[in-house]
Amino acid sequence: DQQVKQNSPSLSVQEGRISILNCDYTNSMFDYFLWYKKYPAEGPTFLISISSIKDKNEDGRFTVFLNKSAKHLSLHIVPSQPGDSAVYFCAGGKLTFGQGTILTVHP
Amino acid sequence: GAGVSQTPSNKVTEKGKYVELRCDPISGHTALYWYRQSLGQGPEFLIYFQGTGAADDSGLPNDRFFAVRPEGSVSTLKIQRTERGDSAVYLCASSLDLAGGTHNEQFFGPGTRLTVL
Repeated sequence: DQQVKQNSPSLSVQEGRISILNCDYTNSMFDYFLWYKKYPAEGPTFLISISSIKDKNEDGRFTVFLNKSAKHLSLHIVPSQPGDSAVYFCAGGKLTFGQGTILTVHP
Repeated sequence: GAGVSQTPSNKVTEKGKYVELRCDPISGHTALYWYRQSLGQGPEFLIYFQGTGAADDSGLPNDRFFAVRPEGSVSTLKIQRTERGDSAVYLCASSLDLAGGTHNEQFFGPGTRLTVL
């Protein structure tokens, strides 16, 4: 039973454009959600989080939106940069991760 | 060091052997987590410690897997009678505190890549 799903295994975006990474969840008990970024041969690093009582959290180029009725969250990166190319994981609560989405930003 | 460290970075073993994977968390972090990541998948929770005790070991796949954290800092993940299906990257993370359901950012180590031949 996959409680957190990222249905797009990969996303390719042109530099300067917006990247939108999506995540769906089934567990209504999650009290917050997090996004992690992972480069090859490194562990995931925390990017941004959102409490379940909010619908938006913004940090610089990164914004996370939460739609509780749809059990859906998304990460927006604007403008996208080549250095953003990595695997992005969403996570519900503390311990449940999605499968990841490989983001490639082309110069 | 400033971050979470894991040793060894790579471990190749034969089916049926015993392995130990070590994690050094960030100093002062009371919570420590072990995850397993297979190719193309997200980190899969195995176990977490609050201090010296295993607060949740529900992710351990079977009794061949065991983890300890005897002094509340360094942790060792132990796998007995390894199988080819155990091949994965084993990630360790630590955080300040897990209490109260508040968001406590987890800091991950680089992982140990285990290959069982």
